[in-house]
Amino acid sequence: NAGVTQTPKFRVLKTGQSMTLLCAQDMNHEYMYWYRQDPGMGLRLIHYSVGEGTTAKGEVPDGYNVSRSTTEDFPLRLLSAAPSQTSVYFCASSYHPGGGADTQYFGPGTRLTVL
Amino acid sequence: GQNIDQPTEMTATEGAIVQINCTYQTSGFNGLFWYQQHAGEAPTFLSYNVLDGLEEKGRFSSFLSRSKGYSYLLLKELQMKDSASYLCAVMDSNYQLIWGAGTKLIIKP
Repeated sequence: NAGVTQTPKFRVLKTGQSMTLLCAQDMNHEYMYWYRQDPGMGLRLIHYSVGEGTTAKGEVPDGYNVSRSTTEDFPLRLLSAAPSQTSVYFCASSYHPGGGADTQYFGPGTRLTVL
Repeated sequence: GQNIDQPTEMTATEGAIVQINCTYQTSGFNGLFWYQQHAGEAPTFLSYNVLDGLEEKGRFSSFLSRSKGYSYLLLKELQMKDSASYLCAVMDSNYQLIWGAGTKLIIKP
């Protein structure tokens, strides 16, 4: 099992450009999440999905779109990049957020810089 | 509002014991998690508490007091590879994880 994979690992964008961060998992997890991690702050939830065909907004959704057309894939789209979106982005997945063994498994992250 | 507090940084000596505290105020409670994150890497799961008391896993133990909104992670026999950030997270009533900013643990020889 590859677990949770993310591409690209690093990216530099100019203000106003768009891009898609890819995330895939091979654990047949229902739930998938996108977080951003900024210095001095906890992980913040951008969007999440509770199953194929569903998406929901998290704490900081503005400027981002997601879709969940398959169980495996959960891409994150930046519509018009801004310097405030410079961050490390993590994708995660879990069977069901019921705790115990149902922990979240994280991808390796994408380090994005917006100039 | 929801809030998770943990110290920003701690320093300890190789072979010693260190306790990392976490206090929380959240909308509901469905468990508390500790994750380890090495610099430049993804968080990885360490422990989970949903009932009061101590959970032990080898050199790592985690304690929870729900009435006090308090948890700690205890690391024994510290090794250099334990140098990392330790993230406390609480699952709220919507089954979403609320994360603390993390405690950077520096291990000195």
